[in-house]
Amino acid sequence: AQKVTQAQTEISVVEKEDVTLDCVYETRDTTYYLFWYKQPPSGELVFLIRRNSFDEQNEISGRYSWNFQKSTSSFNFTITASQVVDSAVYFCALGDSGGGADGLTFGKGTHLIIQP
Amino acid sequence: NAGVTQTPKFQVLKTGQSMTLQCAQDMNHEYMSWYRQDPGMGLRLIHYSVGAGITDQGEVPNGYNVSRSTTEDFPLRLLSAAPSQTSVYFCASKSRGQWQPQHFGDGTRLSIL
Repeated sequence: AQKVTQAQTEISVVEKEDVTLDCVYETRDTTYYLFWYKQPPSGELVFLIRRNSFDEQNEISGRYSWNFQKSTSSFNFTITASQVVDSAVYFCALGDSGGGADGLTFGKGTHLIIQP
Repeated sequence: NAGVTQTPKFQVLKTGQSMTLQCAQDMNHEYMSWYRQDPGMGLRLIHYSVGAGITDQGEVPNGYNVSRSTTEDFPLRLLSAAPSQTSVYFCASKSRGQWQPQHFGDGTRLSIL
């Protein structure tokens, strides 16, 4: 069975601080896909990034960066110089070799609060 | 650019009533799924479909039915609403490619009294 653990229920930081959201996953598949989604206060789910199990290259997109480590089954997300607009619930999700055709397994989410 | 459209956005039901949550996508995606989101629980998969005429159960299917008669539509039916089904429901679709992410609708907030 697949499982995603986001141990941080809520994180509160002051604007401009860096913050890392942790994601640990469990799967028996050798091919799998990992995703991060953002849910702002308005409620919609916004896709941020995907990573497959064969690509451990870290990725940076502006203030966002992702660190994928198969050795520790982790796919952590860092926001550099956080802004109030980053306040949201962030979900890490795991899909099987079909990329989630039969659905994704989500973590419980981390509520990130950026205080001005 | 409609993407995934869910209706209604809000609904209040009484215990025992039935209703259908509608989901339509205009991206010609083969795969569609329904999730429910409860406080502190993340999103949990209810049912999914890999194509017209094909559906299967997810993690929490009890009390819900689905059908997929067309590629575009994937309605979720509550047979006899219960307070435990109070939740926010999200429909998602994705294309066949493994690499493709799921696209979510804006959600339906459902309250069962």
